Amino acid sequence: DIQMTQSPSSLSASVGDRVTITCRASQDISNYLAWFQQKPGKAPKSLIYAASSLQSGVPSRFSGSGSGTDFTLTISSLQPEDFATYYCQQYNTYPLTFGPGTKVDIK
Amino acid sequence: EVQLLESGGGLVQPGGSLRLSCTASGITFINYAMSWVRQAPGKGLEWVSTISGSGGSPYYANSVKGRFTISRDNPKNTVYLQMNSLRAEDTAIYYCAKRNGGTYTGVDNWGQGTLVTVSS
Repeated sequence: DIQMTQSPSSLSASVGDRVTITCRASQDISNYLAWFQQKPGKAPKSLIYAASSLQSGVPSRFSGSGSGTDFTLTISSLQPEDFATYYCQQYNTYPLTFGPGTKVDIK
Repeated sequence: EVQLLESGGGLVQPGGSLRLSCTASGITFINYAMSWVRQAPGKGLEWVSTISGSGGSPYYANSVKGRFTISRDNPKNTVYLQMNSLRAEDTAIYYCAKRNGGTYTGVDNWGQGTLVTVSS
């Protein structure tokens, strides 16, 4: 199985900060990488697919990059509604696997 | 607008069975692969199963293989997850997720989830 790791596991940031989350796959997954946002008590929300393509309706302050084994999710200017947990997932190979999550909270 | 509505969760004893349903609206259902993803209390997301738009090519997590079966009824716009031989570690919120296209595409829409509790 492909293992997904994320760093950091948590971070504290202020509104307006630029935030970067890293996701690493244990083997080459090309660009078959998605990012999700989840707020407490809510279903996940899809942000990015194919490593860098924004889902419809997602604000442009979110961006994704990378290919192969190393990927990043960047929030260019953190907004109050962005405090949440973020997960990456590879869908290059079954079984599909998620990263353990990165919790972004208020500094 | 795409909507996914799960149902069928509840309390079940260890060794018991449960069938979850997810009904989609706002899409041409047969065009999309569908997945189930679960989240145990206080834990991260875990992919469970995926089925193609035609109903073939099911995939399962190792943790549920042989116990869970995914299926779909395209005229009813519904995907199912039959869960047998349930264990305490299957306790989780189960989310239905629509993929962007085939089985090797990303997820674009999620249901609100249904809670499954396995306990005596």
